[in-house]
Amino acid sequence: DQQVKQNSPSLSVQEGRISILNCDYTNSMFDYFLWYKKYPAEGPTFLISISSIKDKNEDGRFTVFLNKSAKHLSLHIVPSQPGDSAVYFCAASGTGNQFYFGTGTSLTVIP
Amino acid sequence: GAGVSQSPSNKVTEKGKDVELRCDPISGHTALYWYRQSLGQGLEFLIYFQGNSAPDKSGLPSDRFSAERTGGSVSTLTIQRTQQEDSAVYLCASSLGGPSGYNEQFFGPGTRLTVL
Repeated sequence: DQQVKQNSPSLSVQEGRISILNCDYTNSMFDYFLWYKKYPAEGPTFLISISSIKDKNEDGRFTVFLNKSAKHLSLHIVPSQPGDSAVYFCAASGTGNQFYFGTGTSLTVIP
Repeated sequence: GAGVSQSPSNKVTEKGKDVELRCDPISGHTALYWYRQSLGQGLEFLIYFQGNSAPDKSGLPSDRFSAERTGGSVSTLTIQRTQQEDSAVYLCASSLGGPSGYNEQFFGPGTRLTVL
């Protein structure tokens, strides 16, 4: 049973516009959320995280929003750049050692 | 400094054979994770090592899968009597670990396993 879901397998955005990637989770015990970025033939690299005590975390062009009541988080990239084209995974963790990953969203930023 | 490395990068094997996948974590990282990503799926947790504690093996899909971590550093994931459904990219990650809370995981490039 998939506890972290990314329902959009792909997304295309024009360069300079905002990219919004969405993620839903089912386990209310999750209290730490991360976004990873993955290029082909490479392992995922950490992008940004947020703990459940916050509803927003910003790092440069990247902002993660957390809506605990809706069990939903989103990653905003603005302005989007062609180098942002990659697969983005969201992940969540609770009190255990496991991190649960979504299936990923492939972002294409069109120049 | 060196990141997480994995070997081999690609492995093709015949059904029924055993395979060993290796992970070299970042020096000083006490936590080590194995994941696999099957086609069209997310990263599936397999096993977690933290220091000298007993590993969390709750994600291993069957008793054909096992993993060791020697000396708190290098880890080997072994799959016995491989099946075609074992075909996936196997990813290793390490982090600082410890009781101070969550730490960023650094991933290796993965091993692509193909079982014919």
